[in-house]
Amino acid sequence: GDSVTQMEGPVTLSEEAFLTINCTYTATGYPSLFWYVQYPGEGLQLLLKATKADDKGSNKGFEATYRKETTSFHLEKGSVQVSDSAVYFCALSGGSYIPTFGRGTSLIVHP
Amino acid sequence: DAGVTQSPTHLIKTRGQHVTLRCSPISGHKSVSWYQQVLGQGPQFIFQYYEKEERGRGNFPDRFSARQFPNYSSELNVNALLLGDSALYLCASSTNRYRSYNEQFFGPGTRLTVL
Repeated sequence: GDSVTQMEGPVTLSEEAFLTINCTYTATGYPSLFWYVQYPGEGLQLLLKATKADDKGSNKGFEATYRKETTSFHLEKGSVQVSDSAVYFCALSGGSYIPTFGRGTSLIVHP
Repeated sequence: DAGVTQSPTHLIKTRGQHVTLRCSPISGHKSVSWYQQVLGQGPQFIFQYYEKEERGRGNFPDRFSARQFPNYSSELNVNALLLGDSALYLCASSTNRYRSYNEQFFGPGTRLTVL
């Protein structure tokens, strides 16, 4: 079945540091890939998405590229802010149409 | 515009009881999905409803059921509650006609505690 593996957190960074959160997946067919963000006490918000190989999703300074050859969709940001502190979820929607989420990676950014 | 709303915000029940959670989608969205998020885990898909019909079901026991009303709002029902049902229950809506999840909008969730 479909699965998503994310790096374990928490990831702790200083403000303006570079961020990478790794995500790899297993799926049948050609899934769509997503990153969601969950701020404390809130529901999930779609951060970015990519629907085919080599697509790059981007939003609010975050980027992720759909790499079919490595089955990866790593999230990056060049300069994080304290306000980026949240839990980030990698997810896919594959041939089964049942959406699959990773366990989430907590990001803590210190001033 | 109002986002996805869920009620109640918090709920405390005891083992064996029944619970009903409610969700109102974004205006114009006809698809509603339900997820269970246990602390420290990602959301697990429970159901999707579109145009009042069940379009997808995750790996959950028959104690979990749902329905969608003509105004596209939805209820999730859980019978014979177990301690392990304690979780954040999320509702998400989308415009998707088919069983695809290219963009879902999530509500804030209902925190269910089973004692």
